[in-house]
This record gives sequence, C-alpha cells and structure tokens, in this order.
Amino acid sequence: DPKIIQKPKYLVAVTGSEKILICEQYLGHNAMYWYRQSAKKPLEFMFSYSYQKLMDNQTASSRFQPQSSKKNHLDLQITALKPDDSATYFCASSWDNSDYTFGSGTRLLVI
Amino acid sequence: AQSVTQPDARVTVSEGASLQLRCKYSYSGTPYLFWYVQYPRQGLQLLLKYYSGDPVVQGVNGFEAEFIKSNSSFHLRKASVHWSDSAVYFCAVSITGNTGKLIFGLGTTLQVQP
Repeated sequence: DPKIIQKPKYLVAVTGSEKILICEQYLGHNAMYWYRQSAKKPLEFMFSYSYQKLMDNQTASSRFQPQSSKKNHLDLQITALKPDDSATYFCASSWDNSDYTFGSGTRLLVI
Repeated sequence: AQSVTQPDARVTVSEGASLQLRCKYSYSGTPYLFWYVQYPRQGLQLLLKYYSGDPVVQGVNGFEAEFIKSNSSFHLRKASVHWSDSAVYFCAVSITGNTGKLIFGLGTTLQVQP
C-alpha cells in the first residue's frame, strides 16, 4: 500500500485556472514537503511544514499556496495557472527532517 | 549557496559491469547526504543515506556510497549492475538543522545494456 498518496496522478489544466494537488501521508511523520520537477531542472524544494506549520517557503510566487487541514495532509493550491507551471509535483514527508519518503507525484500540464 | 553537482548526465554500462555515479556538493559544514533512484513514472526511492560515522554506507540492492569530506564528494558505486538498475539517480544534500530542504543534483540517467 502506498504510504504517501498523491491525487490526481495526471492533471491537465487551462491557463488561468486553479487546481489543488492532494497529498496524504500514512507514515506518522511530523513534517511534509512539496517539490517540483521540471524538465532540465533539478528537483526544486517548494515548501516544508512541521506539525502543520510552515517552516520554509522557497516559492517566489504567491500563486502557490500549501494547505494543511489535517496533520497528515499537505495539499498544494495553484492559482492563475501558467504553461511554465507544467511539471511533476512531488509530495514528501519525514520525521524531524530525516528519512524522507516521496510520493509518486502529480504530473501537471497547463495548456 | 549550497549546491549538488552530478557531472554525468548519462552513463551507459554493460550488465555485470561495475558502476560509479559521481556526486559533489558545495557546503562548508557537514551535510546529510542521500542517493535516490527514480524509475519511469514513479516517485523517488531512497537508496542510501549518510548522516555520520563510517564514511562508506551500504544501501539497497547492492549499492554503496563513500563520503569523502576532503573532496566534498559522495559517489555511488555498485560492483555488478543488472538491467533493472536502469533509472535516473539523484544525489541530494540536506543541511544540518535546516527546515527539511533537500538540494538535488540534476540526476544521472543510467542505462544498463544487456
């Protein structure tokens, strides 16, 4: 059984629209993260949360907003989507920033 | 700024041959170091990690890596590769005491020829 569930696996969105990427972890971890993998670029750290509190935000744009409704959830809301937002978005979790586990990702295509 | 360099974008080896994938990091302190593997259409899976102690760490599926502080390197090795090892390999560094941010290299695509 997957320990980190990301939904949906694939997502096609129209430029200017808004989407929410879902992430749930069942590892009992206290920290969760979002990373982005774009073509020709290394995986980029976006956010980290610990005990549902934002610890670090490396995303320049306010169009990206993490949402943590429960301690094992960290969703990612993206507004005013642009084609450059096309990427695979990975959720990850850990206990106290060690032993990270990654989800299988959501592949987003913005047209 | 911290960074990770994987100088080889693509490596091709024959099945049964030995393997070394190179990784160098830039950080003045002692980092936590990781190697991850990504198979097509899948997420990243941890191969091995170094936090402290013995600089040679063993991972899954016969992989090992050696932390050489003087060289700022953490190269990944395997004595004999199998075709199923074909994947993309990422080296990553985490800064001690930080907010959980992992810094990744660009990755090395390994192709194992039968």
